[in-house]
Amino acid sequence: EPEVTQTPSHQVTQMGQEVILRCVPISNHLYFYWYRQILGQKVEFLVSFYNNEISEKSEIFDDQFSVERPDGSNFTLKIRSTKLEDSAMYFCASRRTGGTGELFFGEGSRLTVL
Amino acid sequence: AQSVTQLGSHVSVSEGALVLLRCNYSSSVPPYLFWYVQYPNQGLQLLLKYTTGATLVKGINGFEAEFKKSETSFHLTKPSAHMSDAAEYFCAVISSSGGATNKLIFGTGTLLAVQP
Repeated sequence: EPEVTQTPSHQVTQMGQEVILRCVPISNHLYFYWYRQILGQKVEFLVSFYNNEISEKSEIFDDQFSVERPDGSNFTLKIRSTKLEDSAMYFCASRRTGGTGELFFGEGSRLTVL
Repeated sequence: AQSVTQLGSHVSVSEGALVLLRCNYSSSVPPYLFWYVQYPNQGLQLLLKYTTGATLVKGINGFEAEFKKSETSFHLTKPSAHMSDAAEYFCAVISSSGGATNKLIFGTGTLLAVQP
């Protein structure tokens, strides 16, 4: 069964460093998302991406964040200068065109900023 | 704007007992509703979903949920809890913000503990 894959599963970084989280969505899906979950809190929407551009972003998704689909298979989230409060689990998701809107999630990338 | 409210951040049941996790939604349009489960140190897995049609929907692992428009609810139930059901459960609604997004809006989650 096709699945969304994310790398790395866990990354530890120093405050101020750049981080790139990678995702490979399901191959025939056209809509891509990043969500984050701070420990013990709810799953929050960050950004959606369709047709090679951001379709919607939340207040959380400020200028420190960017997304890219560099090669037609990967979907990346970059945090330019990490802050302590960026420590969270980041989930990538994708969905196909039409259907019932079900999002398929990856296993997540845990980011720890020291 | 759509939203979901999950009553009870922690629910504890005995093995074999009924599981009831509550979810109420707010939506100005007919909602698409979902329940996701998150096992420890894992990602989000779809349990079940309601879109249109039958209001009682069955999902994986013996879970089911009933869409009740009059009560704006979509509570998750399972007749008999199993130890392996211990996890965090998230109710979610599709946001009809328009455009291509159709993002999911999640509730705050309910952590289910199952006691032997």
